[in-house]
Amino acid sequence: NAGVTQTPKFQVLKTGQSMTLQCAQDMNHNSMYWYRQDPGMGLRLIYYSASEGTTDKGEVPNGYNVSRLNKREFSLRLESAAPSQTSVYFCASTDIRNQPQHFGDGTRLSIL
Amino acid sequence: GEDVEQSLFLSVREGDSSVINCTYTDSSSTYLYWYKQEPGAGLQLLTYIFSNMDMKQDQRLTVLLNKKDKHLSLRIADTQTGDSAIYFCAERSRGNTDKLIFGTGTRLQVFP
Repeated sequence: NAGVTQTPKFQVLKTGQSMTLQCAQDMNHNSMYWYRQDPGMGLRLIYYSASEGTTDKGEVPNGYNVSRLNKREFSLRLESAAPSQTSVYFCASTDIRNQPQHFGDGTRLSIL
Repeated sequence: GEDVEQSLFLSVREGDSSVINCTYTDSSSTYLYWYKQEPGAGLQLLTYIFSNMDMKQDQRLTVLLNKKDKHLSLRIADTQTGDSAIYFCAERSRGNTDKLIFGTGTRLQVFP
């Protein structure tokens, strides 16, 4: 079982470049999430999608956009990357019926 | 607002028990989770406890929940070097979005 798959695993961008991080899950989950992880700060929610066709802002949405393309896929876009967006990005999914979130392996993004 | 706090570091000798502590502020939390993150990897769900439980045991793992003090702990018996990782506590609040609030993570180092 693949679970939650994120691509790419690593990426280096220059300031001002754009990039889309991809996430797909094969567990038929309704809800999907994007987090960023920074040293000493745990995981912070960027955006989430409670179901196909809906998206909502999380704790740190500025500088990001998302698309829930279908039930399986939830992408995160940086339109104009900034060094402050250097982080590890995690996608997660869950069935809304009180089940734990399952995480992908992360995308390590560096912006120079 | 919701907040989850953990100590940043814990160092234990191999074979001893480890106790990782977490405090949270949202008294309406329904589920509380422990995730493990090994270097360069995503978050792996270890265990979780429903808010109407005081204790849950799963092999070497014991979770204790003190709702009055809003305190959660994870005890790892017979700690091994393979247990070295970052451990995240997370709470899930009431509502339909399944959003999780994560602590900063506790880095557990196991030495021989």
